[in-house]
Amino acid sequence: DTEVTQTPKHLVMGMTNKKSLKCEQHMGHRAMYWYKQKAKKPPELMFVYSYEKLSINESVPSRFSPECPNSSLLNLHLHALQPEDSALYLCASSQRAGGNHEQYFGPGTRLTVT
Amino acid sequence: AQSVTQPDIHITVSEGASLELRCNYSYGATPYLFWYVQSPGQGLQLLLKYFSGDTLVQGIKGFEAEFKRSQSSFNLRKPSVHWSDAAEYFCAVASDNYGQNFVFGPGTRLSVLP
Repeated sequence: DTEVTQTPKHLVMGMTNKKSLKCEQHMGHRAMYWYKQKAKKPPELMFVYSYEKLSINESVPSRFSPECPNSSLLNLHLHALQPEDSALYLCASSQRAGGNHEQYFGPGTRLTVT
Repeated sequence: AQSVTQPDIHITVSEGASLELRCNYSYGATPYLFWYVQSPGQGLQLLLKYFSGDTLVQGIKGFEAEFKRSQSSFNLRKPSVHWSDAAEYFCAVASDNYGQNFVFGPGTRLSVLP
């Protein structure tokens, strides 16, 4: 099974709301990632978790707060977002962190901030 | 720092015609190279990867790619395109350094004429 699941598929939230995105994998992967993708652009890395510890934060604003409760789950907590944060948020996982491990992507959550 | 270019923003081919999507990278050592495909509103699916060894790699859906070190290229090919191949294609490069992750090219959008 090479599946990464993400919920919800779509999310509309106001700028004062708090919401969370969820990502799950059962491939035994120990690295998980959050990417942000704007229309007609490649994915941009936001966070990397390796063995449930945050290893990379690509200078993401604090209104995005990642959490890795266990090796299969990855959350992204959202608070006080701006309209420019509207995008497709992709989760990915790989066996280990590092370029010699291919990443498997979930279908994404389409986020709209109003 | 590593970088990836995909010179063609948009390519249109007729169904049944051959396809070549170009990818050039900039990296000091031997990189790890990947091609991903993304259908509209979906996540990324891995088509193939190159780590070492045979420079011609086979992937899923009838795709292949050739690594040419002298040209810093990793072009994707398919002998006969199907209408379902219409999508966005991303080339990515990575290193084996821990903490170094994927750098995606800007993408090439493929349209297929019936």
